[in-house]
Amino acid sequence: EDQVTQSPEALRLQEGESSSLNCSYTVSGLRGLFWYRQDPGKGPEFLFTLYSAGEEKEKERLKATLTKKESFLHITAPKPEDSATYLCVIQGAQKLVFGQGTRLTINP
Amino acid sequence: EAQVTQNPRYLITVTGKKLTVTCSQNMNHEYMSWYRQDPGLGLRQIYYSMNVEVTDKGDVPEGYKVSRKEKRNFPLILESPSPNQTSLYFCASSLNRDHEQYFGPGTRLTVT
Repeated sequence: EDQVTQSPEALRLQEGESSSLNCSYTVSGLRGLFWYRQDPGKGPEFLFTLYSAGEEKEKERLKATLTKKESFLHITAPKPEDSATYLCVIQGAQKLVFGQGTRLTINP
Repeated sequence: EAQVTQNPRYLITVTGKKLTVTCSQNMNHEYMSWYRQDPGLGLRQIYYSMNVEVTDKGDVPEGYKVSRKEKRNFPLILESPSPNQTSLYFCASSLNRDHEQYFGPGTRLTVT
């Protein structure tokens, strides 16, 4: 069964304190792994797509990486405006599966 | 501006009164989808459409209907809403199912 598990569920950091969010997955035939950011009450906002193991994508303070079993979202020197829930989503051969998200809080 | 729009944004209704939530995209996307989001349950897919006149069930289709008569529109229909359909609903679109999705602003539905 296709599955996505994100950890930790919640993470609180100080401004400038770098860290990583994890997305572990099992899937039959990965067609794409997506990272989204969601602010409370708003629609998810696309960040990255990764298609194959070894791929990396970067945008400002965020960097996403992919292996055959997991993806990491690295956040470098975060700012309070990076506070949000980060969602990992996989598109398998048959099914789209959403992770439960990591709620990230950056304290000034 | 490329966007997905949903209407209404907020709706309070009573059990059994049919309602439609509209969704429209201006990006010529083939793939469109509806989700509901509930606390502790995350985003769950209700229905999706790979193209015009092609729709399929997601994980939680019971109590919902959809249609895709035009590429840009994908309305969600609740024929007889019940309180357990109180939720935050999102419409999304993408080039195809293997590409990133663009989400609408959400519709907060309360059924009393």
